Amino acid sequence: GALVYQYPRRTICKSGTSMRMECQAVGFQATSVAWYRQSPQKTFELIALSTVNSAIKYEQNFTQEKFPISHPNLSFSSMTVLNAYLEDRGLYLCGARALNTLYFGEGSRLIVV
Amino acid sequence: QQQVRQSPQSLTVWEGETAILNCSYENSAFDYFPWYQQFPGEGPALLIAIRSVSDKKEDGRFTIFFNKREKKLSLHITDSQPGDSATYFCAASEGGEGGSAKLIFGEGTKLTVSS
Repeated sequence: GALVYQYPRRTICKSGTSMRMECQAVGFQATSVAWYRQSPQKTFELIALSTVNSAIKYEQNFTQEKFPISHPNLSFSSMTVLNAYLEDRGLYLCGARALNTLYFGEGSRLIVV
Repeated sequence: QQQVRQSPQSLTVWEGETAILNCSYENSAFDYFPWYQQFPGEGPALLIAIRSVSDKKEDGRFTIFFNKREKKLSLHITDSQPGDSATYFCAASEGGEGGSAKLIFGEGTKLTVSS
């Protein structure tokens, strides 16, 4: 079956520091990867949509300068949250698309102190 | 503006009953509607999905009923089990190459099945 592995599952970082998270598609090749943030206040927010060999498209309120994404091949993507502050807290979800279906990983939870 | 709305916010049913979770949307261009099930501390897992060309999709105890004219759909969970207790998210997307990766989510319905 399609599995999406995210690492780390949870990070506690000091305000102003950065956090890098990874996403690995296991058992399939993801034609595109969508990064979401889930928070109690705003449910799911799409951060960016990344397709291999195409430019990464960021949604309004999210920028490459703040959330740089790397997507070097069909099974791996990473995203960094730079200069994290309290408003960046949440569960960051990687959704890997295969056969017109989006499969999510368990998420990387960012806690900022 | 919330493009995908879910109701109720929370729902409690007894074991064996049918739980009905509702979803409505604004954008007529949406043509793919997946439902995700999420347990606390875990990522959302795809449960069942429907495309706008169909009015019903069934998978075991889970059935989606879709009304394109009214822009409404519902998820029916028959013979509800305590293990079905989770938050259910309705999502929608437009067609096209990257369409199904760009999902718009509702705010979720928290289902509790009591035994």
